[in-house]
Amino acid sequence: NAGVTQTPKFQVLKTGQSMTLQCAQDMNHNSMYWYRQDPGMGLRLIYYSASEGTTDKGEVPNGYNVSRLNKREFSLRLESAAPSQTSVYFCASRLQGGTDTQYFGPGTRLTVL
Amino acid sequence: EDQVTQSPEALRLQEGESSSLNCSYTVSGLRGLFWYRQDPGKGPEFLFTLYSAGEEKEKERLKATLTKKESFLHITAPKPEDSATYLCAVQAGAAGNKLTFGGGTRVLVKP
Repeated sequence: NAGVTQTPKFQVLKTGQSMTLQCAQDMNHNSMYWYRQDPGMGLRLIYYSASEGTTDKGEVPNGYNVSRLNKREFSLRLESAAPSQTSVYFCASRLQGGTDTQYFGPGTRLTVL
Repeated sequence: EDQVTQSPEALRLQEGESSSLNCSYTVSGLRGLFWYRQDPGKGPEFLFTLYSAGEEKEKERLKATLTKKESFLHITAPKPEDSATYLCAVQAGAAGNKLTFGGGTRVLVKP
């Protein structure tokens, strides 16, 4: 049982490049989330998917898109990366109707030059 | 708007020196308060969920308590392996699935 996995672990992009961060969970959870973590700002919600087939904006969605590919996978796409998107990105999942606890992946450290 | 404030931002302790971390919150209808531990370069690791004022939960040297306005994470006789950043988050009734996080408290326990 791997829990929540994220790829890649590290990535360096140039301004304007695009990339997709991948997230998968093997806990049969319904809900999945993408957060970014910046020094002094805490964890902030970018997008979430309450269940397969639905996605909603969080606190800081500008510059990002998401796809809930199936129940296991939830990807985050940066279409045109900007230096302000330099951050550590975390994916999380939750069993809806359970204890409400979100379980986090190991993170992707992204640098945009 | 839901708000979560953690204090202090950083805490240096000697091994065995007990202390408490504070998480104060303003939410519309608390549904749950969560404590996580985060080690450098890793994702947050779930510790506790508290649902109502007066509730307490314990795990090894950690004890979390909840009132109507704040939560405390008490670290009793800490060891160097308790060094980490501790995150507090709230889920409000109106927010559905979403958590609002505080900025965290970095704890360093020196031997």
